[in-house]
Amino acid sequence: EDQVTQSPEALRLQEGESSSLNCSYTVSGLRGLFWYRQDPGKGPEFLFTLYSAGEEKEKERLKATLTKKESFLHITAPKPEDSATYLCAVGFSGGYNKLIFGAGTRLAVHP
Amino acid sequence: DGGITQSPKYLFRKEGQNVTLSCEQNLNHDAMYWYRQDPGQGLRLIYYSQIVNDFQKGDIAEGYSVSREKKESFPLTVTSAQKNPTAFYLCASSQGKGNQPQHFGDGTRLSIL
Repeated sequence: EDQVTQSPEALRLQEGESSSLNCSYTVSGLRGLFWYRQDPGKGPEFLFTLYSAGEEKEKERLKATLTKKESFLHITAPKPEDSATYLCAVGFSGGYNKLIFGAGTRLAVHP
Repeated sequence: DGGITQSPKYLFRKEGQNVTLSCEQNLNHDAMYWYRQDPGQGLRLIYYSQIVNDFQKGDIAEGYSVSREKKESFPLTVTSAQKNPTAFYLCASSQGKGNQPQHFGDGTRLSIL
């Protein structure tokens, strides 16, 4: 069964304390892995797309990496404004543009 | 600015009533989607449309209906047959070719009176 699992469910960090979020997936033919940020009461905001193992993307304090089984979202020296829920989604062969979403990781960064 | 507009932001439904959620995009995207988001769960696909006048059921289509008469618009009707409609509803769009990222509106929160 195609599925996406994110861990941890929730993460609390002190400002400046770097960490990583995990997204593991089992799909038949990965066509792309997507990271989103979602603030309370808002829609998800697109961050990155990764298409093949070994690929990396960076944006400010965020860096996303991809292997054949999982993706990591590394957060370096986070600030309170990085607090949000981070969602991972995968596209798969035969699914057209349909995505399977993980349940997300709620990140809280405290001063 | 290009984007996706969902309205209303909050909606209340009475028992036995159908309600319609609006979604409009000016990104010139071919594909549009409706998702439902419940606490602690991933987004679940309700319906999607690859092109005007065509749409397909997603994973949880029962109790919902859609139309796609214009490229820009993809309204979702929550019918009285949907027994647990309280949720956050998200509309998204993407380019029709390849595996492109989906871009989301800011959602409609539906509650039962």
